[in-house]
Amino acid sequence: GAVVSQHPSRVICKSGTSVKIECRSLDFQATTMFWYRQFPKKSLMLMATSNEGSKATYEQGVEKDKFLINHASLTLSTLTVTSAHPEDSSFYICSAITVGEQFFGPGTRLTVL
Amino acid sequence: RKEVEQDPGPFNVPEGATVAFNCTYSNSASQSFFWYRQDCRKEPKLLMSVYSSGNEDGRFTAQLNRASQYISLLIRDSKLSDSATYLCVVARTGGFKTIFGAGTRLFVKA
Repeated sequence: GAVVSQHPSRVICKSGTSVKIECRSLDFQATTMFWYRQFPKKSLMLMATSNEGSKATYEQGVEKDKFLINHASLTLSTLTVTSAHPEDSSFYICSAITVGEQFFGPGTRLTVL
Repeated sequence: RKEVEQDPGPFNVPEGATVAFNCTYSNSASQSFFWYRQDCRKEPKLLMSVYSSGNEDGRFTAQLNRASQYISLLIRDSKLSDSATYLCVVARTGGFKTIFGAGTRLFVKA
């Protein structure tokens, strides 16, 4: 199947720093990607829809100034967690759609100290 | 009320058992339905789509009842490797904006 990669797979940072997570579609072009976060033993929560060449669409309750999304090309979307705090520690997963199926990246585990 | 609700589990079953998971969704305009499987600390992977007529894939059978806004997954002859969290997923109208249920954990024991 199609491949979606994420980088980094794991990041530990100090409170107050910003962290950028990359999501790439490796063998297809994706005009739309999705960003989710998952807390331990909880399900995935859709944060935002990333649209190539335009602004992301954020779900209710997700701060767009806190979670900056840039979808500058058809194969790359980035999520930047600005001024990270311990409560932002979570598993962040992106996904992309191709040939009618949704493929997920392997996830990025963020730990904010 | 959550948009997608599932049995929280966990379900602990012996090998060879049949187990059923239920899921309800609240948005009647939802168009597409799926079951995903997620192993610990891994990304979710599509198990199967769910069609109105019901569909089967080997030991797995999925059913959809649009009138009751209810989805089910039946696993027959459980294997140890079936141990995972099963996520009920609903896509809103207009595409793949998917909403995940909280998941049901399954433990299959020898």
